[in-house]
Amino acid sequence: DAKTTQPPSMDCAEGRAANLPCNHSTISGNEYVYWYRQIHSQGPQYIIHGLKNNETNEMASLIITEDRKSSTLILPHATLRDTAVYYCIVRVARAAGNKLTFGGGTRVLVKP
Amino acid sequence: GAGVSQSPSNKVTEKGKDVELRCDPISGHTALYWYRQRLGQGLEFLIYFQGNSAPDKSGLPSDRFSAERTGESVSTLTIQRTQQEDSAVYLCASSLDVGSNSGNTIYFGEGSWLTVV
Repeated sequence: DAKTTQPPSMDCAEGRAANLPCNHSTISGNEYVYWYRQIHSQGPQYIIHGLKNNETNEMASLIITEDRKSSTLILPHATLRDTAVYYCIVRVARAAGNKLTFGGGTRVLVKP
Repeated sequence: GAGVSQSPSNKVTEKGKDVELRCDPISGHTALYWYRQRLGQGLEFLIYFQGNSAPDKSGLPSDRFSAERTGESVSTLTIQRTQQEDSAVYLCASSLDVGSNSGNTIYFGEGSWLTVV
């Protein structure tokens, strides 16, 4: 599976948009970009995923560059409850194995 | 059920004892995964089950660790002769898994916290 690179930490002001970058320069054509977050002491929570096109749901937006070598997760109006570690993962889908490989993630602190 | 269910949520055991952790995946999900997360560290993949295929056991750290799954339902992770280094949260996840380019989402449970004293 392709590796991802994320900044180890970032701060964000409550109510402002949080833009979380992720580099995945070795991504393959059939690999999806997934974002999860883990709030302290809880299991990872799925946020969003995409292949080529930008995606939006009730939690966030995912912007994938045209060459697919990087992406940005956007939390449009960060709240204190969005404080968490955010993981960007690229996942190869094949019949023999389909697991997520977690890196270090970005520790996001939303400040009042 | 509505989500992935794990039990027990917390377990304290003495060093050398065996423990069993249970996972009930989301109904209809054919793929099931176990991960481990030590305090302050990242998630480590342990094992993956997909239907009737042979499980991917590549992440199991030692022969003290084993897991079983009955059909496409419940899974049990067993740790024999527990050591203090086994203290961690053990996370189970499940997904639909329909083959290549599926992009199917993996959903996690809340984990079983294991403390070996």
